[in-house]
Amino acid sequence: GAGVSQSPSNKVTEKGKDVELRCDPISGHTALYWYRQSLGQGLEFLIYFQGNSAPDKSGLPSDRFSAERTGGSVSTLTIQRTQQEDSAVYLCASSYGTSGRFEQYFGPGTRLTVT
Amino acid sequence: GDSVTQMEGPVTLSEEAFLTINCTYTATGYPSLFWYVQYPGEGLQLLLKATKADDKGSNKGFEATYRKETTSFHLEKGSVQVSDSAVYFCALRYNFNKFYFGSGTKLNVKP
Repeated sequence: GAGVSQSPSNKVTEKGKDVELRCDPISGHTALYWYRQSLGQGLEFLIYFQGNSAPDKSGLPSDRFSAERTGGSVSTLTIQRTQQEDSAVYLCASSYGTSGRFEQYFGPGTRLTVT
Repeated sequence: GDSVTQMEGPVTLSEEAFLTINCTYTATGYPSLFWYVQYPGEGLQLLLKATKADDKGSNKGFEATYRKETTSFHLEKGSVQVSDSAVYFCALRYNFNKFYFGSGTKLNVKP
């Protein structure tokens, strides 16, 4: 079946512009996660959704970052007034639920470059 | 705060060599521990996991034991293959759904 998809696969933007990154989780998965992987770094946890709600937004790096999920499916990560330090690969993952017994399935990521 | 530290790579081995990739963690309480693998050109995949102390996760010939006394979850394989060449990430899950990942260790296996 279809896996987690993300779009665009690559995004180059100018400093100060806003960007939207999209994640389509696996159908039926109620939990959705966003991560950021900067060059040479591990994955940095940003936010997760259970259904449409995000119980904990403390992982978002600044108030320029926001995320939403509608209809319990697609999620959008928005970065306003992008900065060069926002350049990274943004990964999305989904799972059947939030219990630890459910495996996370990762998408291929969106590579964001801020010039 | 909670964190994961894993050995820096790249690690280069010959086929059939023994593999160890070290991973240690810092966490309050009792996290679940994971190893993920990313093959070239592919997304991250769960390799194995352990949810409590002394548990051993295993998959595809890889093993890791949750050692609470040393706060470690080292990944081992007795005989690596060229197809094992990938980047390996150690991770912990704590506080419901916060995940902390290490920086990844690249493994190169030569024929």
